Amino acid sequence: DAGVIQSPRHEVTEMGQEVTLRCKPISGHNSLFWYRQTMMRGLELLIYFNNNVPIDDSGMPEDRFSAKMPNASFSTLKIQPSEPRDSAVYFCASRVVSDTQYFGPGTRLTVL
Amino acid sequence: AQSVSQHNHHVILSEAASLELGCNYSYGGTVNLFWYVQYPGQHLQLLLKYFSGDPLVKGIKGFEAEFIKSKFSFNLRKPSVQWSDTAEYFCAVSPYGQNFVFGPGTRLSVLP
Repeated sequence: DAGVIQSPRHEVTEMGQEVTLRCKPISGHNSLFWYRQTMMRGLELLIYFNNNVPIDDSGMPEDRFSAKMPNASFSTLKIQPSEPRDSAVYFCASRVVSDTQYFGPGTRLTVL
Repeated sequence: AQSVSQHNHHVILSEAASLELGCNYSYGGTVNLFWYVQYPGQHLQLLLKYFSGDPLVKGIKGFEAEFIKSKFSFNLRKPSVQWSDTAEYFCAVSPYGQNFVFGPGTRLSVLP
């Protein structure tokens, strides 16, 4: 199994630009999570989906952030417009409900 | 709401010292319990998990954890740490059928 796949692995962009992060969960997993990790704030849950439906998006910082899961094998996290304080590592994780979460390698985002 | 606390923010040990990292959670029902490790620059990886049965669980790399239901605790232990154990360790709780909740993490530094 290829594990959770995230792209891009690194993204450098300028303030105000739109950023799209992508995630392919492990096949057969029906829950998907987006996290953000920074030195200051640690690991934060942004949003999670069960069976492609957003269940809890209370961690999404503000309206500039949006996430979609159009099908069981693909999800996106979009930031528009991006700001320097959005610089972080963004992790996607997936699991079968109630079982172990498996993390992707992360996307390191730098907003200049 | 469920919460997970980890007793130490940063632990510094010499090689061959014994390790115990504390984890407590607040949730009265059935839970699944996890410890994850994040090596520098990498993503979170599963160390061990407890779903049911023997409350003493063994994981990879010589780690073990003990679930004490009466204390709502799931402490991680290793009898003799190595320099390569330097990492951040996260405790997580998943009430059955519900979301994951991660603790804030404990950074372990092992001095050679």
